[in-house]
Order: sequence, then C-alpha cells, then structure tokens
Amino acid sequence: DAGVIQSPRHEVTEMGQEVTLRCKPISGHDYLFWYRQTMMRGLELLIYFNNNVPIDDSGMPEDRFSAKMPNASFSTLKIQPSEPRDSAVYFCASSDSSSGNTIYFGEGSWLTVV
Amino acid sequence: AQSVTQLGSHVSVSEGALVLLRCNYSSSVPPYLFWYVQYPNQGLQLLLKYTSAATLVKGINGFEAEFKKSETSFHLTKPSAHMSDAAEYFCAVIVNAGGTSYGKLTFGQGTILTVHP
Repeated sequence: DAGVIQSPRHEVTEMGQEVTLRCKPISGHDYLFWYRQTMMRGLELLIYFNNNVPIDDSGMPEDRFSAKMPNASFSTLKIQPSEPRDSAVYFCASSDSSSGNTIYFGEGSWLTVV
Repeated sequence: AQSVTQLGSHVSVSEGALVLLRCNYSSSVPPYLFWYVQYPNQGLQLLLKYTSAATLVKGINGFEAEFKKSETSFHLTKPSAHMSDAAEYFCAVIVNAGGTSYGKLTFGQGTILTVHP
C-alpha cells in the first residue's frame, strides 16, 4: 500500500512568496496531521483533522499559516507570506482511529525561504 | 503538561554492542509512549508503542522498550547494534489518548545514534 504522500519534497522560495504544501493520506485513514520539524523547536504538531474537519489548530504559529482538507484524500498547508523563519521540514501524517494512535508519517516537505 | 526528555543528544556505540537510548516522561495519567526512527532525509518510522498492555514492548528491527511506571521511563534497547541502525531516534508521548488527544504526539528532542565498526 502507498504510504502518506507529500509534495513537493523540496522547495526553495523567496521571502514574501506563497507556499503550498500538499498531502495525500493513506487511504481509509480518518485522521490527518501536520507536523513541523526545526532545529530549534524539534517536532511540533501544527494542526490535525478528523474526518476532514479541523479539530485542533493551536499549534499553527500565526495567521500566515492555514490548512485545509477538502476531502478525505487531500490536504494542503499554506504559508502566505512566507518568511525565512518558516524554513523547516513539514511532515504530514495520517492514522486510522482503530489503530490505537499509530501514526504514519510522510517523507516530508523540505522548505527553505530565502 | 505532558513531556518527554531524552537523555543524551548523541550516543555512539560499536557494531555488535548494546544500544540503550533513554527516555523519561512526565504525565499525571497513564500515557501512550512511542519510539520513532528517522533516517537521513526521510520521514519518521514507528519502531514500537506502549498502550497500557504488556510493559515490555517489542518492535521492528530487533528493538524493544520497557515501560517502568515507578521510574517514569521508556528506554529503548537493542542487544546488538548494526551499522544500519545509525539514525536519529525520537521518543514521544500521548496523554489521554482518546478523544481530542488522539494522535497528538509530543516528541522529545531526539537522540542521534552513531554506530562505528
């Protein structure tokens, strides 16, 4: 089975530009998570969805960040405008609620804002 | 608030030696505990998890971990290290694992494991 698929894998953008990261969760999973990994803050949860509905966005750093899940097989994380401090690896992850909190991670989107 | 502390940001062992990666948690209620591994430029892969069943948990690649409530610890071990085990390892916790806490992992800072010949 295909795992969690993220795109792009790598992106370099200029400060002020809009960035859109995409995620396709594992088919049949009803939870989707966005995590961010930085050297300074480690791995932190940004937002998560259950059955396409955002449940907790308390980890979203500021209004420049937004996430959507229009259907069960697609989610986006958008940053507008981007800033150099947004440079990080962004992981999408998904889970089946019957799996006892087993979370499957994608390969990550490596974002550099210059 | 829940948290995990990984003791030692870097651990170095010889091939064939015991691997011991330390993790302590803080939680006022029984937690779910996890170990993940991250190879360079890759995502996180679940090694094993504790969900209040057996205290000794066996995972993939020969790793295991023991939940010790009295010590609030969940250390990861492997009897004999392989070169392929070189990676970064993360301990994580979920408290109140149902409802609105489902999947809300709080990660430790990670331990980089180096295996030398």
